[in-house]
Amino acid sequence: DTEVTQTPKHLVMGMTNKKSLKCEQHMGHRAMYWYKQKAKKPPELMFVYSYEKLSINESVPSRFSPECPNSSLLNLHLHALQPEDSALYLCASSLETSGFQETQYFGPGTRLLVL
Amino acid sequence: AQKVTQAQTEISVVEKEDVTLDCVYETRDTTYYLFWYKQPPSGELVFLIRRNSFDEQNEISGRYSWNFQKSTSSFNFTITASQVVDSAVYFCALSEYSGAGSYQLTFGKGTKLSVIP
Repeated sequence: DTEVTQTPKHLVMGMTNKKSLKCEQHMGHRAMYWYKQKAKKPPELMFVYSYEKLSINESVPSRFSPECPNSSLLNLHLHALQPEDSALYLCASSLETSGFQETQYFGPGTRLLVL
Repeated sequence: AQKVTQAQTEISVVEKEDVTLDCVYETRDTTYYLFWYKQPPSGELVFLIRRNSFDEQNEISGRYSWNFQKSTSSFNFTITASQVVDSAVYFCALSEYSGAGSYQLTFGKGTKLSVIP
């Protein structure tokens, strides 16, 4: 089973709203990732969690706040977003982050529209 | 710096034709891994294959095949007898060391494949 689930599938929010994206995996993976993907572009890495600790933050604005409550769950809290933050947000997981052979498995994504 | 180049932005083929998607990479590492992912219109990135730099054997999986040539730094992907369900964006990616013992993926810009019935 290589399933990563994400909720919600679609989200529309205003610039003053607070919302959260949720990602879950039950593969025993210890690394989880958030990516942002704009239309016709490759995914861009935002955050990496390794063993529930934030290991990489790719200079993401503070209006995006990640959280890893346990090894199976990853959240992305959104607050005061801008219209340019509208994108597909992808979650991924891998067994570890410490090896270049690690395969990342992606969820179906959340399509976010900020009005 | 590591880089992945997918020179073909968009390709259209008629169903049942064969199609090859090109991927050229640059790295200073002697050991590395390459990946192909498929992204259908639904959005999910689907893992297709992983190949390490020491294994230059071609791989075939059903209608899919991959040709890895270290001498030309290429890792090309061929779909035989294409089907409409193959329509998607295909990404080639290179595993890159990002510091502090962590690795991350460097993606190419993707190739959009349209298979016309």
